[in-house]
Amino acid sequence: AQSVTQPDIHITVSEGASLELRCNYSYGATPYLFWYVQSPGQGLQLLLKYFSGDTLVQGIKGFEAEFKRSQSSFNLRKPSVHWSDAAEYFCAVALYNNNDMRFGAGTRLTVKP
Amino acid sequence: GAVVSQHPSRVICKSGTSVKIECRSLDFQATTMFWYRQFPKKSLMLMATSNEGSKATYEQGVEKDKFLINHASLTLSTLTVTSAHPEDSSFYICSANGPYTDTQYFGPGTRLTVL
Repeated sequence: AQSVTQPDIHITVSEGASLELRCNYSYGATPYLFWYVQSPGQGLQLLLKYFSGDTLVQGIKGFEAEFKRSQSSFNLRKPSVHWSDAAEYFCAVALYNNNDMRFGAGTRLTVKP
Repeated sequence: GAVVSQHPSRVICKSGTSVKIECRSLDFQATTMFWYRQFPKKSLMLMATSNEGSKATYEQGVEKDKFLINHASLTLSTLTVTSAHPEDSSFYICSANGPYTDTQYFGPGTRLTVL
């Protein structure tokens, strides 16, 4: 069955530490891949996306993600986390086009001072 | 650019009443809009896809007679929750395809509470 999995429900990191949020997908073909961030009570903001080409994608706010076909993964990374990065992060995939987007369960990030 | 708004941001209604939520693309034309529902501390669940000028396509398990969607123009889609019940209380988020059709832009969401 097609699915997108975020294995970590909640992650806590110290401010200034590095961050990696995991995302795995199970689809018959390589989907379009997205990472969104949601602050409490807010909508979603696109951090970055992968459609094709360079497998290391740079996004906004210092985030990057790497697509690894062999692992069916699209993990989000940031070298140094800021307190303002505390939020919910969603990985999303779309198989055919942008119209068919499915979201992972989300990972809540807490940043310790 | 590519801003999507929703109105209202919060609404409280009595059980049995209907509530309309508006989703607007402010600075671009959106041929396709999407409606999602998000339960507390949960992910987004796609409810329906709305194409301008045509009937919405609902996901399996979503009652089309309860969640009426109208996409009358390229900048406006509405979701009407009819005969609302407490279990309809949720966070409803819309999105719209951006100018280059490769990214969905999300609205800020509407918190619906049914008493």
